[in-house]
Amino acid sequence: GAGVSQSPRYKVAKRGQDVALRCDPISGHVSLFWYQQALGQGPEFLTYFQNEAQLDKSGLPSDRFFAERPEGSVSTLKIQRTQQEDSAVYLCASSIRTATNEKLFFGSGTQLSVL
Amino acid sequence: DQQVKQNSPSLSVQEGRISILNCDYTNSMFDYFLWYKKYPAEGPTFLISISSIKDKNEDGRFTVFLNKSAKHLSLHIVPSQPGDSAVYFCAAENTGTASKLTFGTGTRLQVTL
Repeated sequence: GAGVSQSPRYKVAKRGQDVALRCDPISGHVSLFWYQQALGQGPEFLTYFQNEAQLDKSGLPSDRFFAERPEGSVSTLKIQRTQQEDSAVYLCASSIRTATNEKLFFGSGTQLSVL
Repeated sequence: DQQVKQNSPSLSVQEGRISILNCDYTNSMFDYFLWYKKYPAEGPTFLISISSIKDKNEDGRFTVFLNKSAKHLSLHIVPSQPGDSAVYFCAAENTGTASKLTFGTGTRLQVTL
């Protein structure tokens, strides 16, 4: 596809369940970001990959959150033992280079609801 | 600690008039600022940006103004069109240290006929 693809589009989880969210960036894009957007808020940075290297994970809210990009393309954000406060839209974005963020392309997000 | 603030959650403007969206920031290390536009059920899309060495950047109907001393920026849309109705996010970054963006909470713009 031409854009950043995220799946699933919607995910409903019971509290305590583990979830995995997938991001397919635009082919050839070096940089990949995950953001969390709570209702009524702006996106908040979670983590950043340059190729397969996770260069910044300072935004991950707890050790229940884990992200990987093993081959430098597809990335997975995993949340263990989900809690209600994890309910949010999780946005993935990619960029062909590592310079300014104006060339950042966002996916449509995965809306996670934890019951 | 909200480092990027958009104090107006919503704005309604008549078609053809000017829309002015405002944004304030507190972190003096920010040196690059961006505006993103978001339609429902879609991800944000880049609209326009400005470096801290400039005070104005224009792209068609969109102009961003930066007042560094006041730590304030604004997005002007002239003339406003119904298709401009969306949520607009202001974002900032420190290009020297990190690649991550800090976003404001957004302003929902409605352009009425």
